[in-house]
Amino acid sequence: EAQVTQNPRYLITVTGKKLTVTCSQNMNHEYMSWYRQDPGLGLRQIYYSMNVEVTDKGDVPEGYKVSRKEKRNFPLILESPSPNQTSLYFCASSLGQGGRPGELFFGEGSRLTVL
Amino acid sequence: AQKITQTQPGMFVQEKEAVTLDCTYDTSDPSYGLFWYKQPSSGEMIFLIYQGSYDQQNATEGRYSLNFQKARKSANLVISASQLGDSAMYFCAMREGLGRSSASKIIFGSGTRLSIRP
Repeated sequence: EAQVTQNPRYLITVTGKKLTVTCSQNMNHEYMSWYRQDPGLGLRQIYYSMNVEVTDKGDVPEGYKVSRKEKRNFPLILESPSPNQTSLYFCASSLGQGGRPGELFFGEGSRLTVL
Repeated sequence: AQKITQTQPGMFVQEKEAVTLDCTYDTSDPSYGLFWYKQPSSGEMIFLIYQGSYDQQNATEGRYSLNFQKARKSANLVISASQLGDSAMYFCAMREGLGRSSASKIIFGSGTRLSIRP
């Protein structure tokens, strides 16, 4: 089954404690991205990647890191989480070109609370 | 720079009526795609419909159609004969640079919360 899997789905942590949210897709997609969703602000892009070893900042990259060492994986790293990073996070993937290249396949979301 | 604007934070519609959700966009790229996604209260993101900038016809997918007005840079979603299950958040999204070797990032509007009244 084609899917994007992100873990953990729910996490409560404390300020400053490093955490990683994993994301993996099994569709051989070139494009992967992380979004955060906050009430009234929609989905804002944190980082995206066009392919292996190619990553770029989105609109709200501060406080986050990513890496793309393999095509299927795109982890999101919060080196020193702060309460303003409490949010719902989505990982998504897409073909680079062809088909409907903006059709994103989303993970189920990770709800993160930073105390 | 690419930008998506959804000006309706919330809408209430009577069941079985048609509803139009507004979306305007800004881009200088002649090659782009526009998308609508639905997010029910369960939280998952569901792809609804796609329109390419060079498509001659407005896209349709079942009860969903996209009213694409290129000169006005609008891509409104029309839902015909609304159902209670249509109650959800709806997001408009855009991607520039289609057809080139490296298409750009995909950005979203702030969303419209649609509530269907029985």
